[in-house]
Amino acid sequence: ETGVTQTPRHLVMGMTNKKSLKCEQHLGHNAMYWYKQSAKKPLELMFVYSLEERVENNSVPSRFSPECPNSSHLFLHLHTLQPEDSALYLCASSPGQGAGGYTFGSGTRLTVV
Amino acid sequence: GIQVEQSPPDLILQEGANSTLRCNFSDSVNNLQWFHQNPWGQLINLFYIPSGTKQNGRLSATTVATERYSLLYISSSQTTDSGVYFCAVRFGNEKLTFGTGTRLTIIP
Repeated sequence: ETGVTQTPRHLVMGMTNKKSLKCEQHLGHNAMYWYKQSAKKPLELMFVYSLEERVENNSVPSRFSPECPNSSHLFLHLHTLQPEDSALYLCASSPGQGAGGYTFGSGTRLTVV
Repeated sequence: GIQVEQSPPDLILQEGANSTLRCNFSDSVNNLQWFHQNPWGQLINLFYIPSGTKQNGRLSATTVATERYSLLYISSSQTTDSGVYFCAVRFGNEKLTFGTGTRLTIIP
C-alpha cells in the first residue's frame, strides 16, 4: 500500500458505457494527477489538480472528464471511449504542484471493447 | 521541454549480479525520482534524489545535478527486481517528465 489507492484495479467496458475511476490519497498532499500509460509509450500526463483546482489539461479528449471534490479524492469519468483508450491509468499525488516527490497508486487497467 | 534518456533500454542478468542504470537529462532539475514498475503495473517510488547519494538496502542512487545525470545501482539482484525502471525529472512547476525506462529481467 503506497498511500494512494485506486479502484477498480481492472475494468472492461463497452464503447457506449459510462464508468468512473476513483483515486484516494492518505498522505495529506495538495496536488493530484492522472497519467495514462499505453503499451510501448511513455507515461502521458492527462490532468493536474492543485488544491482542488484543475491547473493543467494536456489536450485530453472530452470523453475523459476529471473531478476533484476535495484534496484527498480524484475521479476520472469515462464515456463513449474508443478501443485505443485501452491503457493503464495511474493516479499520483505530491505535496504541492512544484514541490516534493510523487507517489503513485497501483493503477486501473482499462480495456475498451 | 526537458528531455530524459535512460540506458540501457533492456538488461538481462543472472540472479546475484549487480547492475547500473543511467538517466541523462537535458536541463536543470529540482526533482528527480527513480521508480520501479512491477509486472502488474504498480509504480513504486524508489528514491527522491534531486542531488547527492542515497541508499536503501540493495539499492542506491546518485545524482550529479551539475552534470545532468543520475545512476541507480542494484546489487545482488533478485528475481523480484524484474520490471521496468523509470527515471522522472521536473524543474519548478513544470510537469514530471519520464524517461522511456530500462526493462530489467533477472533470470534465476
